[in-house]
This record gives sequence, C-alpha cells and structure tokens, in this order.
Amino acid sequence: GNSVTQMEGPVTLSEEAFLTINCTYTATGYPSLFWYVQYPGEGLQLLLKATKADDKGSNKGFEATYRKETTSFHLEKGSVQVSDSAVYFCALTQGNTDKLIFGTGTRLQVFP
Amino acid sequence: DSGVTQTPKHLITATGQRVTLRCSPRSGDLSVYWYQQSLDQGLQFLIQYYNGEERAKGNILERFSAQQFPDLHSELNLSSLELGDSALYFCASSPAQGRGYTFGSGTRLTVV
Repeated sequence: GNSVTQMEGPVTLSEEAFLTINCTYTATGYPSLFWYVQYPGEGLQLLLKATKADDKGSNKGFEATYRKETTSFHLEKGSVQVSDSAVYFCALTQGNTDKLIFGTGTRLQVFP
Repeated sequence: DSGVTQTPKHLITATGQRVTLRCSPRSGDLSVYWYQQSLDQGLQFLIQYYNGEERAKGNILERFSAQQFPDLHSELNLSSLELGDSALYFCASSPAQGRGYTFGSGTRLTVV
C-alpha cells in the first residue's frame, strides 16, 4: 500500500542553520505530496504542497521539490529560526480520495 | 483560529465509557475528516463525510462511529473505551476534493 517514510528526529539546529528533513514515499501512480507543520498544542497546518513531478512547493522560506525518479519530497530551509521549532509531517494523497497518509513526523528544535 | 472548531479540547473518561467529540467545519466547507494521532500509531485517517454522506473509511474501529448533520457539523462517537483509545482526535474540513484541508486544534482524549 501507499506509505511515507520520514527521517527520525529530533533534528537539532542552531538559528540560521540550513535545514533538510528527508521524506520518501511509496505509491502507485502520481500522488500529491504535502508538508504539514504542528506547533505545540495546535493542530496541523499545511506548509506546502506539490501535485506533479518536478513541482516545487514553497512557503515561509521552506521548499520541497517533487522528485518522481527518487520518490522523494525533502523539506529544506536556508536559514531556520527559533520560531520554526515544531513537528513536521510529510504526507500524500492519491487517486480519487482526499485521504492523507502521513509519515511519522520529525521534530525540529532550533536553539538561539 | 483555523476556522475549524473542535469541542471539547480535553476529555478524561474511564474505560468502558462512551464519549462524543464535536467538530464544526469552516464556513462553506462540505467535507469533514477525522484523524487519530497517537504515540504508537502516528496520524491515522478514520473517516470522511461529504455533505452528510460517508465518503471514505479508514482504520476506524467498530466501536467508533461518526455522522455529519444537515448543518454540516460532525460528531465522532467513541464507545466501550479502552486505555489504548487515548489520543488526540483531529477534525479537518475542505470545500471540495483536492482543495486541501484545514485542521482544527484537536480533542485530547485520556482514558483512565
């Protein structure tokens, strides 16, 4: 079945460091890919998405490119801030359903 | 405020009991989705309703049921509760398929 694999956390960085959170997926056909962010005590917020191969999603300095050849959708940010500390979830939907399949989440901790 | 309202925010109940979680979608959104977030199983899709009708079903236990009312709010009923049902339950809404979700802030259920 369809699945999403994320790198284990926590990822601990100093402010202004470069961030990469790896995400790979297994799916038949052409899924849509998403990154969601969950701040402490809150629900999930859509961070960015891509719906077809080679699409780049971007928002708030975060970027991810839909790579079909490597079945990946890695999240990157050039310079993280303390306020980026949260849990990041990679997810996919496919076909005629809006059901989201999530990865296990990666906790990011940014220190000043 | 995401526009998706979930009540109550916290719920503590005993094993064997029955609870009802409530979700009011964003104004104009016809689809409601329920997800369970637990430490051992991560984020799992439970069920989707669209304009009052069940649209998709995930890993929802037989002890759990849901419905969407004519005013589009939804309720998730959990019965014969077990310790393992302790989790965060999220509701999300969407105006239509493929348009993306907005999540509520969740109901934290603790079964003791």
